[in-house]
Amino acid sequence: QLQLQESGPGLVKPSETLSLTCIVSGGSISSSSYYWAWIRQPPGKGLEWIGTISYRGSTYYNPSLTRRLTISVDTSKDDFSLKLTSVTAADTAVYYCASGGYESFDYWGQGTLVTVSS
Amino acid sequence: EIVLTQSPDFQSVTPKEKVTITCRASQNIGSSLHWYQLKPDQSPKLLIRYASQSFSGVPSRFSGSGSGTHFTLTINGLEAEDAATYYCHQSTALPFTFGPGTKVDIK
Repeated sequence: QLQLQESGPGLVKPSETLSLTCIVSGGSISSSSYYWAWIRQPPGKGLEWIGTISYRGSTYYNPSLTRRLTISVDTSKDDFSLKLTSVTAADTAVYYCASGGYESFDYWGQGTLVTVSS
Repeated sequence: EIVLTQSPDFQSVTPKEKVTITCRASQNIGSSLHWYQLKPDQSPKLLIRYASQSFSGVPSRFSGSGSGTHFTLTINGLEAEDAATYYCHQSTALPFTFGPGTKVDIK
């Protein structure tokens, strides 16, 4: 079974770049069977889809974040990454990585809390 | 953007009771509706995909139904371990969106 684990700083300063990596095990990130996604949940709020990348590197982003967002895949390390620039307090959230088909998120990481604060 | 609404927001239920959660979409999404279970400090779990397909390993007490704009998640015989928040998610159109969640508490 596919397992995912988020890693990255838990604290980011306003206006800086939030960078997270999702390490994949139990399967290959190059598999054509999977898409790879990021989802977040601000404290006390619901879930927000951030974006998805295919094994070939095709990306699909939430329009509300497109200007600041980059999602990429590193097949040599079996991981994929999220970069969100110019962060504000509104970007404080638990960030989840997930995988599945294009449409459903079949497997999720445990999530990592990222706080934006000076 | 497709908006999903869920009802109820919160439900307190006795074990073995039946729980029904509704998800409504702002436009026709066919069967592109999925259900997830979130518990604190745990990885979220996919329960149902494409409205009614149970995901691998999900207990049979969880079932889904519906199409178009009206969907339901049913838990037949609630167990204590089912205390969680449940979210629906549509994948018909980008951006993918989630419902606001339904918190299920055990009495």
